[in-house]
Amino acid sequence: TQLLEQSPQFLSIQEGENLTVYCNSSSVFSSLQWYRQEPGEGPVLLVTVVTGGEVKKLKRLTFQFGDARKDSSLHITAAQPGDTGLYLCAGLITDKLIFGTGTRLQVFP
Amino acid sequence: DAGVIQSPRHEVTEMGQEVTLRCKPISGHDYLFWYRQTMMRGLELLIYFNNNVPIDDSGMPEDRFSAKMPNASFSTLKIQPSEPRDSAVYFCASSLWFSDSNQPQHFGDGTRLSIL
Repeated sequence: TQLLEQSPQFLSIQEGENLTVYCNSSSVFSSLQWYRQEPGEGPVLLVTVVTGGEVKKLKRLTFQFGDARKDSSLHITAAQPGDTGLYLCAGLITDKLIFGTGTRLQVFP
Repeated sequence: DAGVIQSPRHEVTEMGQEVTLRCKPISGHDYLFWYRQTMMRGLELLIYFNNNVPIDDSGMPEDRFSAKMPNASFSTLKIQPSEPRDSAVYFCASSLWFSDSNQPQHFGDGTRLSIL
């Protein structure tokens, strides 16, 4: 059973465009993490959000945790080719990290 | 500092053969996780250990899969006998005290397994 649905699944955009990736669930999470994975490598943590409504910024990336701690979003401003990769949200339930279905982003120069 | 080290990076073998994947976690990490990633099912947790003890193996697909952690610096995931549907990228990850929700999981670069 997949608890975390991400949308869109695939996204191809031009350099300079803005985009938002969504991570939704019917379950409540203790915290939520976002990872980025590049081809041939393992996922790498970008950010952890813990409090409902929390917003964190990492340069051009803005992460938000939903008020009810069931959903999250990742917004990228002025995307660059270096942002290309697979973005994964992961929610912590009791002692397990449940990964989302993933959003594959391609940014063209 | 060395990250999580997995070997081999690639494995191609015929169905029915035994496959052993290896992982060396980051020194000092209490938790070790084994994941499987496929296009269809994404990243799935197979099993995880805390202080070398298996805590939850509910994600192990069937009895053909087994995992061990004989000491704090080494773990194996074994498939015997292997089947074509086991083809996937297998990741090992480690972390500090995982109940602290701010702790990241550190992933290795994975083993790409192909069963012919």
